[in-house]
Amino acid sequence: DTEVTQTPKHLVMGMTNKKSLKCEQHMGHRAMYWYKQKAKKPPELMFVYSYEKLSINESVPSRFSPECPNSSLLNLHLHALQPEDSALYLCASSEGGSSYEQYFGPGTRLTVT
Amino acid sequence: ELKVEQNPLFLSMQEGKNYTIYCNYSTTSDRLYWYRQDPGKSLESLFVLLSNGAVKQEGRLMASLDTKARLSTLHITAAVHDLSATYFCAVDILHQFYFGTGTSLTVIP
Repeated sequence: DTEVTQTPKHLVMGMTNKKSLKCEQHMGHRAMYWYKQKAKKPPELMFVYSYEKLSINESVPSRFSPECPNSSLLNLHLHALQPEDSALYLCASSEGGSSYEQYFGPGTRLTVT
Repeated sequence: ELKVEQNPLFLSMQEGKNYTIYCNYSTTSDRLYWYRQDPGKSLESLFVLLSNGAVKQEGRLMASLDTKARLSTLHITAAVHDLSATYFCAVDILHQFYFGTGTSLTVIP
């Protein structure tokens, strides 16, 4: 299985809602990432988990809360988002070792109303 | 501040023509990756370049890395419409990826 899956594919939420994004991989990868991508822009790194521990938080607002329950699963909890948070949220995983090539999931298209 | 710049940002080329996309980065790294992104889709890995002088080819695309010049190139040979997409390079700094600005390629029949 060489796939990273993400659910849901699309999400519309109000500014007072609480929702979660889910990412899963079964490649045995030990590093997982969350990126945010606005239209026509490159992906921006948000969080990195390495061996299920948060290793990098790129100064992301606290309304985004990551969670890594196990080595295959990564969640992003969302609360009190702003309209400017509307974007494509991409999850990726990498093996570690020599290449650190990242494999990306299909993304969740988030719209905050 | 790390900068990863691609040029051109936009490229319109005719089918059958050749062209090169450039990726310049401002700090030392010997790992660089190229990705393709179709509109509304995720990123697809194209090439993994892990050392100075690395050259990889797949179909009509060829990527190279010059770590001394801090430069990677993505060369397109005899372009076809199916290559229309946005191409990103990404520099690996301590296993964090920093993406280039992206090059939006349109191949015209």
